[in-house]
Amino acid sequence: GQNIDQPTEMTATEGAIVQINCTYQTSGFNGLFWYQQHAGEAPTFLSYNVLDGLEEKGRFSSFLSRSKGYSYLLLKELQMKDSASYLCAAPLKEGYQKVTFGTGTKLQVIP
Amino acid sequence: NAGVTQTPKFRVLKTGQSMTLLCAQDMNHEYMYWYRQDPGMGLRLIHYSVGEGTTAKGEVPDGYNVSRLKKQNFLLGLESAAPSQTSVYFCASDGGMNTEAFFGQGTRLTVV
Repeated sequence: GQNIDQPTEMTATEGAIVQINCTYQTSGFNGLFWYQQHAGEAPTFLSYNVLDGLEEKGRFSSFLSRSKGYSYLLLKELQMKDSASYLCAAPLKEGYQKVTFGTGTKLQVIP
Repeated sequence: NAGVTQTPKFRVLKTGQSMTLLCAQDMNHEYMYWYRQDPGMGLRLIHYSVGEGTTAKGEVPDGYNVSRLKKQNFLLGLESAAPSQTSVYFCASDGGMNTEAFFGQGTRLTVV
């Protein structure tokens, strides 16, 4: 998505912490989603942020700063099964239905 | 609870052939979507529907048509397939604003 930017690839070590950043530009903000997609599979929902701050959900946390157009997904205690693509998504245009996805960040967890 | 089911899972078409992809959801969701996913391009919205009998164009609608005759079904049609339509197609549904989308398992389409 041309209005959502994420790094293309990241590598991290098992047991470590990794932060995946997402920046966006929008004319009407209605929240930001993070999805996880394992290779060859469908995306699955991880988190949703509509207010500024950090939302924690087990090993995964998501942060949002609306004034900066910035979000990040924080993965703690990395496991090999966390190797996947992480997609940032938000409705960037007027009207909720037009959700734009970033191109995704492919995370590789190594031993 | 099946969630979102797409058929078929794989298909190879010759240029100029037509086909229909079927998406069915059993969660009583109002909103349904068709995306295509290509390497380096991410998920791009083709068409979407906000309720039975409604459809609207997304980001990349050319070459595709859709229909939502029943609330639980959303059909994506390719009237004359082109190699540029080789992609993985995902159907999704959700219950409205601020709700998570549920995706089907995808259809891998190759047009030769």
